[in-house]
Amino acid sequence: DVLLVESGGGLVKPGGSLRLSCAASGFTFSTLAMSWVRQAPGKGLEWVSSISWSGDFKYYADSVKGRFTISRDNAKNSLYLLMNSLRAEDTAVYYCARSIRGVISYDDYWGQGTLVTVSS
Amino acid sequence: DIQMTQSPSSLSASVGDRVTIACRASQGISNSLAWYQQKPGKVPQVLIYAASTLQSGVPSRFSGSGSGTDFTLTISSLQPEDVGTYYCQRYDTAPPDFGGGTKVEIK
Repeated sequence: DVLLVESGGGLVKPGGSLRLSCAASGFTFSTLAMSWVRQAPGKGLEWVSSISWSGDFKYYADSVKGRFTISRDNAKNSLYLLMNSLRAEDTAVYYCARSIRGVISYDDYWGQGTLVTVSS
Repeated sequence: DIQMTQSPSSLSASVGDRVTIACRASQGISNSLAWYQQKPGKVPQVLIYAASTLQSGVPSRFSGSGSGTDFTLTISSLQPEDVGTYYCQRYDTAPPDFGGGTKVEIK
């Protein structure tokens, strides 16, 4: 079975940094694009970033461009999101998701999410 | 960027009712549209992709239609377990933005 498990969330001060990880299993990770989607408390879904299977192509939402970096390690079946210069508005549950039809795609499997809280 | 607008933002219907949710793109996106269901406290799950293709394992009471700019998600007979928020998402080009969501409740 496909399993995506996020980790690395927590409480961080404004301006701080955090690195999220997503461990994937149950499928051939190295052949599929992956994405991060977030959801602020009580709000809707917001696409954050996507990365191609090879890592060569990366896309970011305007709201995080220049502050967040998506990466992957296919040897470790892992996806990452490095978040710098965090702001209060970055507070959200961050989901790792499998993008089944290419780097810009819908997502057919999602992890349980990891909560990031940006507060002083 | 292309804007995705869902309507209504919320609805209340009786068990067995036919429920329709609309999603409009500000520009044509062909059939590059997915629908997700998020039950309270749960992770989103894809219901429909390519505007009208039912994801494996999704009950047949869910259906999708539309192309270009106007899309519809229909629940043919609303069930108690269908309570939650429904989102559309375009994926023709970056950014693959979501609609604002439609909250479905049982009357």
